[in-house]
Amino acid sequence: GAVVSQHPSRVICKSGTSVKIECRSLDFQATTMFWYRQFPKQSLMLMATSNEGSKATYEQGVEKDKFLINHASLTLSTLTVTSAHPEDSSFYICSAIPPGYYGYTFGSGTRLTVV
Amino acid sequence: AQRVTQPEKLLSVFKGAPVELKCNYSYSGSPELFWYVQYSRQRLQLLLRHISRESIKGFTADLNKGETSFHLKKPFAQEEDSAMYYCALLERGGSNYKLTFGKGTLLTVNP
Repeated sequence: GAVVSQHPSRVICKSGTSVKIECRSLDFQATTMFWYRQFPKQSLMLMATSNEGSKATYEQGVEKDKFLINHASLTLSTLTVTSAHPEDSSFYICSAIPPGYYGYTFGSGTRLTVV
Repeated sequence: AQRVTQPEKLLSVFKGAPVELKCNYSYSGSPELFWYVQYSRQRLQLLLRHISRESIKGFTADLNKGETSFHLKKPFAQEEDSAMYYCALLERGGSNYKLTFGKGTLLTVNP
């Protein structure tokens, strides 16, 4: 079946540094990928829609300069958390809609901890 | 405005009891609704979608446009059903998609 791979699964970084999270569609091409953020015991909040070859579309309240999204190929989207702060600590999840599949496929998520 | 409402954060039932997880939505277009499930330490996965009218793992969900609801039901809950359940609404705008989740309901099935 269609799989979305996310890497790393866990990352701990120091405050002020940047962290890159990768999202890959393993057996299909994804012109659009989605980045979500999930706080503990809360729902998934859509951060942005990543579009291959063009700028990402950010949801209201999401700082585009802080959460840089690059979708350079049909199988890879990256989310870079720049100048990370402890409040950026969260669970980040990417997803995509495989062609011919009526639903989203989700990555396993990345647990970011900023210390 | 909140598009998807799951009124219960927590739901606890005993094994063998019926279970219903509530979901209400708000959408002006033709709704496309899903239930996703997240078992402990696993990724989010699709449970079922309203358009296919299927039963997965004994769960069913019927779209009621009059009540704007898409409640998830199972007649006899099992312990392995314990998980976080999210109702989601897919909004389409031309070639754009946006999947909006409810806040989720944590279902615990007790032995």
